[in-house]
Amino acid sequence: DQQVKQNSPSLSVQEGRISILNCDYTNSMFDYFLWYKKYPAEGPTFLISISSIKDKNEDGRFTVFLNKSAKHLSLHIVPSQPGDSAVYFCAASDVSGYALNFGKGTSLLVTP
Amino acid sequence: DAGVIQSPRHEVTEMGQEVTLRCKPISGHDYLFWYRQTMMRGLELLIYFNNNVPIDDSGMPEDRFSAKMPNASFSTLKIQPSEPRDSAVYFCASSLMARGPGYTFGSGTRLTVV
Repeated sequence: DQQVKQNSPSLSVQEGRISILNCDYTNSMFDYFLWYKKYPAEGPTFLISISSIKDKNEDGRFTVFLNKSAKHLSLHIVPSQPGDSAVYFCAASDVSGYALNFGKGTSLLVTP
Repeated sequence: DAGVIQSPRHEVTEMGQEVTLRCKPISGHDYLFWYRQTMMRGLELLIYFNNNVPIDDSGMPEDRFSAKMPNASFSTLKIQPSEPRDSAVYFCASSLMARGPGYTFGSGTRLTVV
């Protein structure tokens, strides 16, 4: 039973525009959320995270928004660049400190 | 540090054969995780260790799967006997904490069972 859901398997965006990747979760005990980025033939790498005490966290072109009432988070990439083309995984952790729970991933393609 | 090292990078085997995947975590990381990536289920946790002790193996799909961590610098994931539905990319990751963000993943082992 997937507790972290990424319902869009793929997304295509033009270079320079905004990319918005969405993630929903079902476990109300989750209090820490992360995004990982994965290039082909490589392992996922950490991108950005947010604690449940915040509703926004920014790091350069990347911003994560958290809506706890809706159990929803999103990753915004502005402006999108071709090098951002990758699979993005949403992940969550609960207060017990259990291992990260990942979604299925969204494949982002940024076209020139 | 060379990061998390997994071997082999690719494995093709016949159904019924035993498969062993290997992982060397980053020195000093207390946690080691085995994940499997498939199109249907994404990245799913199979098992994780803390200080070489298995903490939760509830994600291991069947008794055909087993994992060991005999010391802090080595872990194996074994599938015996292998089946075509085991075909996937298997990732090992290590971390100082279970909650992240410091998970360092290896490059994965792409397993194909024919």
